[in-house]
Amino acid sequence: DAGVIQSPRHEVTEMGQEVTLRCKPISGHNSLFWYRQTMMRGLELLIYFNNNVPIDDSGMPEDRFSAKMPNASFSTLKIQPSEPRDSAVYFCASSQVGTDTQYFGPGTRLTVL
Amino acid sequence: KNEVEQSPQNLTAQEGEFITINCSYSVGISALHWLQQHPGGGIVSLFMLSSGKKKHGRLIATINIQEKHSSLHITASHPRDSAVYICALGGATNKLIFGTGTLLAVQP
Repeated sequence: DAGVIQSPRHEVTEMGQEVTLRCKPISGHNSLFWYRQTMMRGLELLIYFNNNVPIDDSGMPEDRFSAKMPNASFSTLKIQPSEPRDSAVYFCASSQVGTDTQYFGPGTRLTVL
Repeated sequence: KNEVEQSPQNLTAQEGEFITINCSYSVGISALHWLQQHPGGGIVSLFMLSSGKKKHGRLIATINIQEKHSSLHITASHPRDSAVYICALGGATNKLIFGTGTLLAVQP
């Protein structure tokens, strides 16, 4: 299995631009998580899905952030408009409901200038 | 007060030393996770435990539910063990609450 796949691995953009991060979970996994990691706040859960349905988005910072999971094999995290404080590494992880072990993707390092 | 606290924040050891990283928490959990983040940034799940002790190679994780405390031990440490080790709490849902991590450097 290829593991959790994220793209792009690195993204540099200018303030105000729209940014879309992508994630392909491990086949057969039905829970998907988006995390953000910064030096100041460490790892934080942004949102998670079970069976493609958003369960908890209380970690989404504000309306500029949105996440979708149109099918079991794909999810996006969108930031519009982006701001310098959004600069972070964004991780996607997947698991099977009921197993608790999460498998992390390699992350997307986002820099907003 | 943070729900999960790790100690120490930074740890430097000589190759071959026995290493212990601690995690204390203040909320009810269904499981506690230990994660390893390599210098390149990748995150790997090491253990998930809800009671007792688990061992994988040179790594041992223990948890005491009554005392709300877990430890991660590394025996015969090696420079390739250098990483950030993160404790995370799992609740009734699949949400994880992360500790701030322990930065371990093992010197040859």
